[in-house]
Amino acid sequence: DTGVSQDPRHKITKRGQNVTFRCDPISEHNRLYWYRQTLGQGPEFLTYFQNEAQLEKSRLLSDRFSAERPKGSFSTLEIQRTEQGDSAMYLCASSSWVTRGHYEQYFGPGTRLTVT
Amino acid sequence: GNSVTQMEGPVTLSEEAFLTINCTYTATGYPSLFWYVQYPGEGLQLLLKATKADDKGSNKGFEATYRKETTSFHLEKGSVQVSDSAVYFCALSSQGAQKLVFGQGTRLTINP
Repeated sequence: DTGVSQDPRHKITKRGQNVTFRCDPISEHNRLYWYRQTLGQGPEFLTYFQNEAQLEKSRLLSDRFSAERPKGSFSTLEIQRTEQGDSAMYLCASSSWVTRGHYEQYFGPGTRLTVT
Repeated sequence: GNSVTQMEGPVTLSEEAFLTINCTYTATGYPSLFWYVQYPGEGLQLLLKATKADDKGSNKGFEATYRKETTSFHLEKGSVQVSDSAVYFCALSSQGAQKLVFGQGTRLTINP
């Protein structure tokens, strides 16, 4: 299977700890996105990369959040000093060109974070 | 800003019933429109898409038509199956803005 993969699938941490998630995109995709999904809601955009450049960050991405894609392949999302409000599913997606400037995004299975 | 509004769920139907899930959007320019599906315990999967007005996206018996005049992209299926039980998300991406904007999702349950 050559889809988007995420690791870990589940993470339980105590408030105040740091956590890091990894996303491996589909190999030929140069764009990579992070979203957050809370229970009963649709995913919300956090940030995206084209190759190694981080091109847009949402206001949802507070100073405690940092994302990297150092070699334009896999990406990491780190949350420092976790809070209970950070509990959510963190989704990664990668994209290919569709047409007229639009990209088609494919999602990974997500990392479910629980902050206790 | 851009936004997507879906009909509120949950929606419960009997097998072989006709399905409509309404989706309307607000966006500048000419967005692309998508339906994603999330089966229990699985990640989001792209179900269908349409990139310009009057396009019809279709997949697995589901259809949706991009209606610019009514800013809508309603999802339909003529005869649903138990295996269609899932959460369905309508989403858009506008030209020049690469992020997807999602609706809140509609949970669909099909009873045998």
